[in-house]
Formats: sequence, structure tokens, C-alpha cells
Amino acid sequence: DAKTTQPTSMDCAEGRAANLPCNHSTISGNEYVYWYRQIHSQGPQYIIHGLKNNETNEMASLIITEDRKSSTLILPHATLRDTAVYYCIVTYPYSGAGSYQLTFGKGTKLSVIP
Amino acid sequence: DTEVTQTPKHLVMGMTNKKSLKCEQHMGHRAMYWYKQKAKKPPELMFVYSYEKLSINESVPSRFSPECPNSSLLNLHLHALQPEDSALYLCASSQEKGRALLNTGELFFGEGSRLTVL
Repeated sequence: DAKTTQPTSMDCAEGRAANLPCNHSTISGNEYVYWYRQIHSQGPQYIIHGLKNNETNEMASLIITEDRKSSTLILPHATLRDTAVYYCIVTYPYSGAGSYQLTFGKGTKLSVIP
Repeated sequence: DTEVTQTPKHLVMGMTNKKSLKCEQHMGHRAMYWYKQKAKKPPELMFVYSYEKLSINESVPSRFSPECPNSSLLNLHLHALQPEDSALYLCASSQEKGRALLNTGELFFGEGSRLTVL
């Protein structure tokens, strides 16, 4: 069963903020929210992750609701190069040892329009 | 160096051929992954190596044979493939999970090898 639900596609005008939502209503207390993106014909690229506090880095901001059942990835000033499929992934990175397991859902195809 | 390098970028093979995909990283990561991605679909996990040992095999057919000869290299040997195996094959690496406080859980992906089986 999919752990996350994202819209299939979204458009954003160049220079405007892109707000990508993700629902994860069954998230457990120790699971983190990760965002990756995949530009056409390239490998996925890590963007950001968080547990419950809002996070910001040089690429984006992540806003997680207080009940942690949903989150929003914000690209503050979208450019044409931000056109990609954005994946929201819920996982617990700190159990066991060795490797991480990332399971990709269908993602949101973001088209940045000139 | 934060790159994962995959070769070849493109591969065309017949159903009776034997070929290999290669992946290399020099970030000191001890976990390496193979994903398969069909057109317009999300990546699907195939294999995971942790400390050069196979730790996860997601019920992948035996015509795909992974190998991790050392901590920097990961191979995927291909034999007797079917046309439906045509896809983008992605390699990734990450720090080992044991150092939890230092790790972000980030996977670093290569650009992939696009395989066409005729």
C-alpha cells in the first residue's frame, strides 16, 4: 500500500513559488518525510527531509503539519530547470543497520511554465 | 567527489547476449543499490548491498545477477533478458545506516543505464 498521496501533476509560473503537497496520514511517530526529484532522463536527486519541524536548505523548504499527516515542499522561486517529477517518501532511516530502503510512489510531475 | 558513475549510458542487446552494467562511487559509502525504472513509472528497488554483501533481493528474476566486487563497485550482470526488461537501470549509494546520527538517509543516484532488449 502506498504510504503517500500526491497530485499527479501541477503547473507553476516561472519565478513564482511552487507548493507541492503530500498526504501521509498513516505516518508513524518515528518516520521521516523525504523529498526527491527526478529531472527527465536523470537519476533521482535528494532535496530535503524532516521529522516534525519545518526545514529549509538551499534548494527548498519543507513544511510539515503539526499532526504530521501532510507536508508541503516549497520551491521559493521556480525556474524552468525545476521541471521534474517530485517524489514524497515516508521512511524511518535509523532502524537496523546497513542500508536504507526508499520506496518511490508515483510522484507529482511539476511543469514550470515561462 | 559526490558522484555515482554508471556505464554504459546506453546498451542494446539481444535476448541471447550476456552483458554487464557497472556502477562506481568514491564517497566511501558502504551501501549500494540497483533500481529499475520503466517509462513513466517510479523507480523500483531490485537489489541492495550492504558492506559488500547482498542484503535485499526484491524477488528479481535470476537473469539479473548482481555483484559487488569491492566497496566502490557494483555490477549487474545480464543474461537471457526479455524485451520487457528494457528500462532505465539506476544505481545508488548511501552511507551505512549504523552511523545514524551522522547520516541524512540520503541516497546518491547515478544517471542510469538505458537498456534496450531486442
